[in-house]
Amino acid sequence: GENVEQHPSTLSVQEGDSAVIKCTYSDSASNYFPWYKQELGKGPQLIIDIRSNVGEKKDQRIAVTLNKTAKHFSLHITETQPEDSAVYFCAASESNDYKLSFGAGTTVTVRA
Amino acid sequence: GAGVSQSPSNKVTEKGKDVELRCDPISGHTALYWYRQSLGQGLEFLIYFQGNSAPDKSGLPSDRFSAERTGGSVSTLTIQRTQQEDSAVYLCASSPLKGDIQYFGAGTRLSVL
Repeated sequence: GENVEQHPSTLSVQEGDSAVIKCTYSDSASNYFPWYKQELGKGPQLIIDIRSNVGEKKDQRIAVTLNKTAKHFSLHITETQPEDSAVYFCAASESNDYKLSFGAGTTVTVRA
Repeated sequence: GAGVSQSPSNKVTEKGKDVELRCDPISGHTALYWYRQSLGQGLEFLIYFQGNSAPDKSGLPSDRFSAERTGGSVSTLTIQRTQQEDSAVYLCASSPLKGDIQYFGAGTRLSVL
């Protein structure tokens, strides 16, 4: 089955700086890669996703890059704000599949 | 409209007792998923429903775990004879169709004493 590894497990950044989280996956058949943000006491919420026919996708301060050859993808948050503090999860699955394989999560803390 | 609703939000039980966790998916979503989130870990897939059928139960950790879905809507996850290692947050998600974006509920935090 799919194995997703996520690094780092914790990340502390100064407000206004950038944050980068990296994930690798094992199954070359995976072609859908969502990122979820989980705030304390809440369920994960999708913030951005990318499919394998695209190398990069951007939505305001958030961007995701995908390298299918190396089987890794990354989340980039620019101009970080205190409200970006949360746990971020990457995941992978085959398109039209139901079973998301999640990374272990990255706790991001943005220092004011 | 309303999101995925789970109840109870917190459940404390004694070892050996049975528990039922409830999930109300977003109206009209045909696919429903259960995940388990242990402390400091990612989400572990448990089971998937398409309508009232569960084509994939492979993630259920043991035969003490079961789930059902009725009317293509509400789902119940039952854990029999709970053990301390069952302590975790149980998350439910739904999507319009299989493979669509999954929308998560806030979860049920289960503590087995």
